[in-house]
This record gives sequence, structure tokens and C-alpha cells, in this order.
Amino acid sequence: IQMTQSPSSLSASVRDRVTITCQASQDIGNSLNWYQQKPGKAPNLLIYDASKLETGVPSRFSGSGSGTDFTFTISSLHPEDVATYYCQQYRSLPVTFGGGTKVEIK
Amino acid sequence: EVQLVESGGGLVQPGRSLRLSCAASGFTFDDYALHWVRQAPGKGLEWVSGISWNSDRTGYADSVRGRFTISRDNARNSLYLQMNSLRAEDTALYYCAKDFHGIITAITLDYWGQGTLVTVSS
Repeated sequence: IQMTQSPSSLSASVRDRVTITCQASQDIGNSLNWYQQKPGKAPNLLIYDASKLETGVPSRFSGSGSGTDFTFTISSLHPEDVATYYCQQYRSLPVTFGGGTKVEIK
Repeated sequence: EVQLVESGGGLVQPGRSLRLSCAASGFTFDDYALHWVRQAPGKGLEWVSGISWNSDRTGYADSVRGRFTISRDNARNSLYLQMNSLRAEDTALYYCAKDFHGIITAITLDYWGQGTLVTVSS
């Protein structure tokens, strides 16, 4: 299953709303996770099952969607949110990741 | 506190072998599936392999099937990746990751190590 993320990068101001999309090449139901990877660090799980917030993750992060089209949103961008964000499907093996979206501060 | 510490990376010639290890602590090791995920320099994430809690099911990316073998030792709280016939395109940072679940049918990676770098070059 191919996962297509867009945009590949974006630049936004602090307190802006940021939206990333992820499209699956076939129906994956809600079998989608979102990860954040800060520079030089390992990825960190933010959202699982398309819309469930992982414990300890700030509520400004959210996910939605089902089937083939998914959205990840940061409701108000903070400076510490500078990172690359990846979607990942687990509907079938091999699990696959999107190409990533690099988020920077304008 | 969950900790995953990878080791075994290094510089290796094409065609040779390498064995990666991941030492785990801070959780009930034999309750959870475990995985290897790699990231080539400057590139995105690629799932490599996963193993269920009791080793009865494993999975591999097409790019490594037949060359890599995942295993675990629940008595030693350790995960392994035996990598044979290495290629230049296997060069990457290899992460060990813990699954949310015990089986590899809903792979959700809730804890990651810091990775071990494998460089395949002559």
C-alpha cells in the first residue's frame, strides 16, 4: 500500500493552523498512525487509529479521516513543533510510511 | 521507563553480514511485538521487519526478505536482526521499536530506540 503525503514541506508562523494530508493507494479503514520526528531524534507516536491521541501528546495535535484520505492538524503551531511528520498504514504488511512533511517556522 | 538500546552497527563491505541487537527494559518484554525500522541518510522511514511476542509470526519488507532474519530472546529481553548479503542500499540508521500490541497485525510503534548506524561500503 502506497502512502502519499502532502505537502513535502511547509513553513508557517507560530500560532498558525497547520494541516498535512496523507492518501492511501487503497482503502485502509482507520489503520493509520502519525509520528513526529524532531531533528536528530527518533520518531515519536502522536496519533494512532487515525484519530486517537497518544498519552501525553498535547491536544493541539489531532487526526481525522478513514478509507483513503487522512488529515493531521496542529491547531496552533508552537516553536517546538518544528519536525518532520510521517503517516504510517498498518492495514496490511508490509506497513508503509508516507514520505514525510517537514514543518518549519516562518 | 521504557528503554530500547540498539547496538551492532558499523562499517561493513558489500556482501558481508552484520547482526544488530536491541536491549529492552522498563516493560514486560514478552507481552509485546517488536520491530526494526530504518532510515537512510536524509530519507524517510522504512519498516524492515517485525516479530510477535512469542516469535510465532514474523514479517519482512520486500527489500530485505530472504537476506535478513529477525529473532528475539525473551529470557534476555533482547531483539536481534541478522543481516546477510548486505548491499549499499542497506546503509541506514536502524531503529528498534516496541509495538503497542503483542502481535504484528496492527503495527503501532509507541517506543523507539535511538538507532544504530549501518554503513555498507567497500
